[in-house]
Amino acid sequence: QVQLVESGGGVVQPGGSLKLSCTASGFTFKNFGMHWVRQAPGGGLEWVAFVRNDGTKQFYADFVKGRLSISRDNSKDTLYLQINNLRPEDTAVYYCAKDFTATVVYYSDHWGRGTLVTVSS
Amino acid sequence: DIVLTQSPGTLSLSPGERATLSCRTSQTISSYYLAWYQQKPGQPPSLLIYGASSRASGIPDRFSGSGSGTEFTLTINRLEPEDFAVYYCQHYGRSPATFGPGTKVDF
Repeated sequence: QVQLVESGGGVVQPGGSLKLSCTASGFTFKNFGMHWVRQAPGGGLEWVAFVRNDGTKQFYADFVKGRLSISRDNSKDTLYLQINNLRPEDTAVYYCAKDFTATVVYYSDHWGRGTLVTVSS
Repeated sequence: DIVLTQSPGTLSLSPGERATLSCRTSQTISSYYLAWYQQKPGQPPSLLIYGASSRASGIPDRFSGSGSGTEFTLTINRLEPEDFAVYYCQHYGRSPATFGPGTKVDF
């Protein structure tokens, strides 16, 4: 069955950086686009970014403004999210999610359990 | 960007009742590109409906989606105790793929 396991979250000071990982199994990772979606404590879902199956194209939410970067390593079945210049408002659970398609920003049919990022001094 | 609004914010119902949740988009969208997710406390979201009305694998038929244009509805017939959760709609098909703010269905 499809499994997505996020890691790399933790407590980080404002201005710091973090790289989240999501390890996939149970499906052919290289055939599907992947998303990051975040959820602030007590808040709703916020779409962050999408990367095509082959990693050649990325799409981002407007708030990203160059601070976040999505990438993937298909040889390791792993998705990444690099977050730079962290701000308190980046505090959230970060979910990775599998897209239904390879190249189009579509719906997410499987989700990981998330990793918590807390930005605090 | 397309903005999604959901109403009501909270829906207080009892098991066995029908829940009707609304999702409105700021622009007309194709019904191919509207999904609904369910999220229970402490769990990730899970896909319920895609293409406005197609149930995802394993979703019971008491869940149904409908709508077109800018008005979409998720209906849950005969609420079961496990249906009490937060429901989000999402527009996809282009970037950004935006979510609505959610509707909480509780007792």
